[in-house]
Amino acid sequence: DQQVKQNSPSLSVQEGRISILNCDYTNSMFDYFLWYKKYPAEGPTFLISISSIKDKNEDGRFTVFLNKSAKHLSLHIVPSQPGDSAVYFCAASGSGYSTLTFGKGTMLLVSP
Amino acid sequence: EPEVTQTPSHQVTQMGQEVILRCVPISNHLYFYWYRQILGQKVEFLVSFYNNEISEKSEIFDDQFSVERPDGSNFTLKIRSTKLEDSAMYFCASNRDSGANVLTFGAGSRLTVL
Repeated sequence: DQQVKQNSPSLSVQEGRISILNCDYTNSMFDYFLWYKKYPAEGPTFLISISSIKDKNEDGRFTVFLNKSAKHLSLHIVPSQPGDSAVYFCAASGSGYSTLTFGKGTMLLVSP
Repeated sequence: EPEVTQTPSHQVTQMGQEVILRCVPISNHLYFYWYRQILGQKVEFLVSFYNNEISEKSEIFDDQFSVERPDGSNFTLKIRSTKLEDSAMYFCASNRDSGANVLTFGAGSRLTVL
């Protein structure tokens, strides 16, 4: 049962363009959503998060959008840089719990 | 910047052998976690640990698994009798309190069971 789904296993984008990574969830109890980035041979690194009381959170080049009615969130990276090439995991948790449920990840490749 | 440290980075073992994976969480963190990622699959929650006891565990965390905080710094995951399907990358994570959803992960320990 995939409670957090990332349907695109990979995404290729040119440097300077926008990268949009998508994530869908099925559990209505989730109220906090996170994006983690993972480079090979490293652990997941926290990137940005959003609470269910918001629909947008921005941090520099990274913006996360949340559409609760559609149970959908997306991560926008603009402009994309080659150093952004990594696997991006969407994760979710419920109120008061820090146990995270992860999606399968999307591998982003940003080419110069 | 404080980090979560895991050892070994890679362990190869024979099926049926016991394995202990070690983690040193960030020093002022109180909540500790183990996750695993089988190759090509998603990162899966195994267990959370607080105040010297398990606070939550998944279906994966059966009787073959145990966790321990033997001293003030280490947090270990033991697999008593490894199976082929235990081959995975095991990630330790920690955070300061249960309301803080952002976990800090270690680099992982790759376990290969032959």
